[in-house]
Amino acid sequence: GDSVTQMEGPVTLSEEAFLTINCTYTATGYPSLFWYVQYPGEGLQLLLKATKADDKGSNKGFEATYRKETTSFHLEKGSVQVSDSAVYFCALSHSGNTPLVFGKGTRLSVIA
Amino acid sequence: DVKVTQSSRYLVKRTGEKVFLECVQDMDHENMFWYRQDPGLGLRLIYFSYDVKMKEKGDIPEGYSVSREKKERFSLILESASTNQTSMYLCASSLNQRGNTIYFGEGSWLTVV
Repeated sequence: GDSVTQMEGPVTLSEEAFLTINCTYTATGYPSLFWYVQYPGEGLQLLLKATKADDKGSNKGFEATYRKETTSFHLEKGSVQVSDSAVYFCALSHSGNTPLVFGKGTRLSVIA
Repeated sequence: DVKVTQSSRYLVKRTGEKVFLECVQDMDHENMFWYRQDPGLGLRLIYFSYDVKMKEKGDIPEGYSVSREKKERFSLILESASTNQTSMYLCASSLNQRGNTIYFGEGSWLTVV
């Protein structure tokens, strides 16, 4: 079945450091790919998404490119802030009425 | 803005009690989901529904049931709560379209004592 693997955390960075959180997937066909973020005490919210190969999703300085050849969707940000401290989830889905398959999440802590 | 509202943020229940977790969405979404979130295990799907009165088991349905009598409301029921059901429960909804965004509620923290 489908699965998503993302790097284990926690990840601790200093403010203004470069961030990469790796995400790879196993799936048949061409799933849609997502990054969700969960701030402390809250539910998940969509950060960005890509629905076909070579698409780049971007939002709030974060970017991820859908790489079909490496089955990856790595999350990057050039300069993190303390307010980016959260748990980040990579996910995929196939069609409109199939649930998301999530990775286990990566906790990011950014220190001033 | 889409709003997914979970009726209770924090609950404490006793072992053996019947527990209802309610979820309402205001955007006429066809799909609704219940996940639980546990440290080290990520999000696991309990049940989902893609239409009124329809339900599908997710990865961990044992000990749970659901009800969807109206399109906007999806209830999770713990028939007889147990301590291993202490967890954060997240409701979500989405349109039935490829690449659709799933919108989450803020979560319900359930402690079973």
